[in-house]
Amino acid sequence: AQTVTQSQPEMSVQEAETVTLSCTYDTSENNYYLFWYKQPPSRQMILVIRQEAYKQQNATENRFSVNFQKAAKSFSLKISDSQLGDTAMYFCAYGSGNTGKLIFGQGTTLQVKP
Amino acid sequence: DSGVTQTPKHLITATGQRVTLRCSPRSGDLSVYWYQQSLDQGLQFLIQYYNGEERAKGNILERFSAQQFPDLHSELNLSSLELGDSALYFCASSAEWGTTEAFFGQGTRLTVV
Repeated sequence: AQTVTQSQPEMSVQEAETVTLSCTYDTSENNYYLFWYKQPPSRQMILVIRQEAYKQQNATENRFSVNFQKAAKSFSLKISDSQLGDTAMYFCAYGSGNTGKLIFGQGTTLQVKP
Repeated sequence: DSGVTQTPKHLITATGQRVTLRCSPRSGDLSVYWYQQSLDQGLQFLIQYYNGEERAKGNILERFSAQQFPDLHSELNLSSLELGDSALYFCASSAEWGTTEAFFGQGTRLTVV
């Protein structure tokens, strides 16, 4: 069975600074995807960034980038130039390429301080 | 707006009762997923339907059932409700059954009293 672990329950960062959220996963599948979702206080689940496991190049979306280490089964999220609106719970998720179901980590609560 | 619509947004019901949660996927999406978010269990995958057929099953209780209709909307039925079923229930949809990105609805907050 696939598992996803986020070892940082809570983190904080000063506005305009950079922060990295950690995520590790375990799987025996070859076809999979990795995601970071953001859940603000509104509880809406918002896709932040997506990485295909077969791609070596790290995904980037504006201020958000990932460090994907396939051999180490590590998938961290870097947020640059943090903004107050980045305050949210962040979930790392593993997506099975066979079904599409998502396995979520326990989440990291990020607070951006002014 | 993700394009996924869930109704109702909030639901309060008594133990032992039965409720139905409804999900309309994004236009054109064939795959629908149901997830449960509770404080003690986190976000858990319940079940997936693709074009009307069950595709994958997760930790879904026998008291819970789901279906996807020909117009692709889906319903999650929860019966014999217990206090522990109180949670946020999300529906998500994606274009195919493989993993393209899944888009989430705003969720239904279920409170069992």
